[in-house]
Amino acid sequence: QTVVTQEPSLTVSPGGTVTLTCASNTGAVTSDHFPDWLQQKPGQAPRTLIYNTNNKHSWTPARFSGSLFGGRAALTVSGVQFEDEAEYYCLLYSSSAHRIFGGGTKLTVL
Amino acid sequence: QVQLQESGPGLVKPSETLSLTCTVSGASISSYYWSWIRQSPGKGLEWVGFISPSGSTNYNPSLNSRVTMSVDTSKNHLSLRVTSVTAADTAVYYCARDSGRNNGMDVWGQGTTVTVSS
Repeated sequence: QTVVTQEPSLTVSPGGTVTLTCASNTGAVTSDHFPDWLQQKPGQAPRTLIYNTNNKHSWTPARFSGSLFGGRAALTVSGVQFEDEAEYYCLLYSSSAHRIFGGGTKLTVL
Repeated sequence: QVQLQESGPGLVKPSETLSLTCTVSGASISSYYWSWIRQSPGKGLEWVGFISPSGSTNYNPSLNSRVTMSVDTSKNHLSLRVTSVTAADTAVYYCARDSGRNNGMDVWGQGTTVTVSS
C-alpha cells in the first residue's frame, strides 16, 4: 500500500521562501505520479494550486511553484504572505489510477 | 461557472448505509470524472473513489467493498453510498470534478458533514 509522506509542519517568516516536499514509500516520485498540490484553510474546502507537477490554475498566485527534486515532489512558495498560512496536501496518482493524498503540511507564517 | 453541492443526512446510525448526493450545475455530469473525498475530524484528506463519464468506477481499496458510486444524468447529480458504517466513517464528505493529469481536482463542493452515532 502506497503511503505518501509530507512534513507535518513548517514555519516561515513573511517574505521568505519555503519548500514543502512529498515522498512515496514505494520509491521516487516522478512525473508519472502527476503530483498535485492542494491548499486548505480552516473551515474551507481544499483547492488545487498545482496539478501535474508544475501546472498552475488561473487562481494560483505566481509565488507558488511545483517541481520534482531528489525523488520527491516539491511545492515552493516564494515571498510568503500571511494569507498563505494553511494546510497543504500533496496528491499522487498510482499506476492503477488511485488517488493518494499525503498527510498534509501545516504551514505557519510568523 | 461550475458549482457542486453535496447533500445528505447529517446523522447515520452504526451498521446502516450512508447515502450522499452531489448536485452539479454549470457542467454536464456525463462529460467528466468525479471524485468523492472525505476528511475525518482534525485529520487529512482521504480519496474515496471516482466515477468516469462512462459510469465505470475506481474505489479506494481500503473502502472498496463498502462503497458504491453512481450518476443520474437526468438530474445531473452523482451519488455515494457507504454500507455498514462505523464511527470511523464520521467525516466531511466532498465531491470534486476530477480532471486527473489535465487539471487535477479543479472544482470542489463545500462539503457535507456526516456523523455516525447511535
